[in-house]
Formats: sequence, C-alpha cells, structure tokens
Amino acid sequence: EPEVTQTPSHQVTQMGQEVILRCVPISNHLYFYWYRQILGQKVEFLVSFYNNEISEKSEIFDDQFSVERPDGSNFTLKIRSTKLEDSAMYFCASSALRTQYFGPGTRLLVL
Amino acid sequence: GNSVTQMEGPVTLSEEAFLTINCTYTATGYPSLFWYVQYPGEGLQLLLKATKADDKGSNKGFEATYRKETTSFHLEKGSVQVSDSAVYFCALSDVAQGAQKLVFGQGTRLTINP
Repeated sequence: EPEVTQTPSHQVTQMGQEVILRCVPISNHLYFYWYRQILGQKVEFLVSFYNNEISEKSEIFDDQFSVERPDGSNFTLKIRSTKLEDSAMYFCASSALRTQYFGPGTRLLVL
Repeated sequence: GNSVTQMEGPVTLSEEAFLTINCTYTATGYPSLFWYVQYPGEGLQLLLKATKADDKGSNKGFEATYRKETTSFHLEKGSVQVSDSAVYFCALSDVAQGAQKLVFGQGTRLTINP
C-alpha cells in the first residue's frame, strides 16, 4: 500500500541554523500539507500546497518557513533560522480528495 | 472559526471493556470528520472517516457516527484490547474540494490494561 515517507526521522540542530525536512507524498496525490505537534499538544496545521503554490498557511507559518516541491516526488519544509520553540514533531500529509494520509514524522530538536 | 473538542484524557480501561471517546465540533458548512490514531513512537494513522450527516465510519472494530443535530462524532468500540493503547485524535476538514486543512482536537490518550 502506498504511503507517505519522511526524512530524517530525527534531527537535532543549533538555534539559528537552517533545517530542511523532506517528504515523499503518495505518488498520485495532488495536495500536500505540513503540520506540527509540539510535545503533549494538539496537531497544528502549518501550510497546504497545490499546483506548485501555497493554498493556505497558518499564523505559525511566518517568513522563517518555506515549502517547495523541487521535483516530481519530493516536498520540503525549510526553516531558515530555527528557534527553540520550533522543537516539535513535523508531519507531512498528502491527499487526492478529502482524506489526508500522514507520514511518520520528523522529530526536530532545537538546542 | 472551526474547532474540535475531545473528552479529556487520559482514559484507562481493562481489556474487553466498552470504549467511548467523545468528540464534538463547531464548523461552518458541511465538514468531513475523521478519527486518527497515534501509536507510541509512530505517526498519525487514519482510523475512520465520515463525510456527511448520518454516515457511520468503521474500522478495526471502532465505529463513529456523524451526528449533525448534536455536532458530534463519538468514537466507540465494543471490546478493547491492549493493542488499542494509543492517542486518538478527532479532526475535521471544512472544504468540499481542493486543499483542505485539518483541525484537530487535543487528543485522548487511551491505556488498556490486561
């Protein structure tokens, strides 16, 4: 069964460093998303992406964040200058119609 | 704005007990409703869904019915197992087509004791 994959599974970085989180959505899906989950809190929407542009973004998704689909398979989330409060689990999701399928997540720790 | 409220956890039950996890929502329009499950150390897995009023979603013995009149989507299972221990998230999406963000409840941690 096709699934969403994410790399790396864990990343530790220093405050102020740039990180890129990678996702490979399900191949025939057209809509792509990033969510995050700070430890012990609810899952929060960050951004949705369709037809090579952002469809919607949340207040969390400020100028430090960007997304890209650099080729036909990858979907990336870049954080330009990480802050301590960016420490969280980041989930990628993709959908064809109404149902979103999630990847296993990348746990980001900012020191 | 749209929101989802789940019953407070954690919930601890014995094996073979009946499970209900309450979920209510506030939304404009006609949302689709979902239950996702997160097993320890893993990502979010779709458990079941319902896309219109009175639909019943079911999977792995879990059921939930989309109740528009009470704006609820309670998760039930008749006989839980230790392997059902996980965090359960109720969620809604409120766009009929196109890119649609999911709005999640706070999650309910379920522990099943043998």
